[in-house]
Order: sequence, then C-alpha cells, then structure tokens
Amino acid sequence: QVQLVQSGAEVKNPGASVKVSCKASGYTLTSNLMHWVRQAPGQGLEWMGVINPSGGSTRYSQKFQGRVTVTRDTSTSTVYMELTSLRSEDTAIFYCARELGAAFDSWGQGTLVTVS
Amino acid sequence: QSALTQPASVSGSPGQSVTISCAGTSSDVGGYNYVSWYQQHPGKAPKLMIYDVSNRPSGVSNRFSGSKSGNTASLTISGLQTEDEADYYCTSFTSTTTPYVFGTGTKVTVL
Repeated sequence: QVQLVQSGAEVKNPGASVKVSCKASGYTLTSNLMHWVRQAPGQGLEWMGVINPSGGSTRYSQKFQGRVTVTRDTSTSTVYMELTSLRSEDTAIFYCARELGAAFDSWGQGTLVTVS
Repeated sequence: QSALTQPASVSGSPGQSVTISCAGTSSDVGGYNYVSWYQQHPGKAPKLMIYDVSNRPSGVSNRFSGSKSGNTASLTISGLQTEDEADYYCTSFTSTTTPYVFGTGTKVTVL
C-alpha cells in the first residue's frame, strides 16, 4: 500500500533552515505530483508547494516564494522540502501529500518544526 | 488566494445529520468539479473522505456524502457517530496563483 514516511521533528533557531524529507513506497514516485502543506499550531491547512517528481518542475505559494524549495531524489523515492530564513511563525507541522486526480489521497505522518 | 470559507464549528447528536459548507468563488469551487474533503483527528494527518465533489474513496463510510451548488460545496455526515468528531477541511482546485486552496476548517462535535 502507499506509504509516505517523513523525517523526524526538528528544533531550529530563527534564521536557520530546515529540510524535511518524505519517502514514498508502494508506488512509483514519478507517477504522481507531491505537495507540501503547512499546519501551524491550532490552525488550518495551508498549501505550500508542489513538485512533479517525473521532471522535477515545481510551483510554490507566493507566501513562501523565495524561502521554500522542493526537490526529489528518484533513486530513493524521496521528496524534500527546504524552508529557509525560519521565524517563530514557521513553527508548524509540515505534511507531504500525494496527489491522485485532483485530491490528496495519501499523507505523510507530519513533521513538527519548532523555531525557537 | 483567500481560503475557502467554512463554519468554525457544527454539532449534532449521535444519529443526526450535519452539513458543512465550503464557500468559494467561480475561480475555484464554482469553476471546477475538483472539491475534496478531509477529516483530521487531533494529532493525526488528514484523511481523504470525498473527492471530485461527491465521490468516496474505497473504505470511507457511505454516511459521508458531498455535493456542490454554484460556488458552495457541502459535506454531509449522516447517522453521526462519536468517531466522526474531528476537524474537516475542504479544498478545491483553483485557476489562480496556487493550484489548490484549503478551507478554513470546521470542528464537528458529537454532543
């Protein structure tokens, strides 16, 4: 079955960067777009960006443009999300989510990033 | 791109039905039949409940149903059960600066 397993929780200083990984299994990574979604404590879901693992093309939310980079390593079926210039407001859980059709059918377990 | 508008909370007694609305614009909800709904229990990742407005993935109870009228989509939970208590989010494909936009989220409470 499809599984998305994310890297563990991180604690970062303001101004630092964080790179979260999302390892896919149970399907071919290049067959589906992969999205990243942010959820601040007690808040809703917020779309950050997407990568087409087949060619590596990306698209980002204007809110994060310039600070977020999504990459992939097809040899390990892993997608990465790097967020730079971290500030306290970036404290959140970050999810990777596979797109199937026009929905997010599988989600990673989430990675808590604390900026403090 | 503004978030889709959902009520902050809805509640119902076991066995009752509740409906959650998701209001958007002609650039998102009204323009495409690509509305999906997600259930999120505390401390858990979201789970897909409805896709393409009204389709249920395999394994999702038929107590969950979706619909759309104009720029507003709706999720109805029939025969409310205690395990339905969770946060629910809609999302829609959009023709604006981002490909998808999420709703503000609705907390469903089973009384």
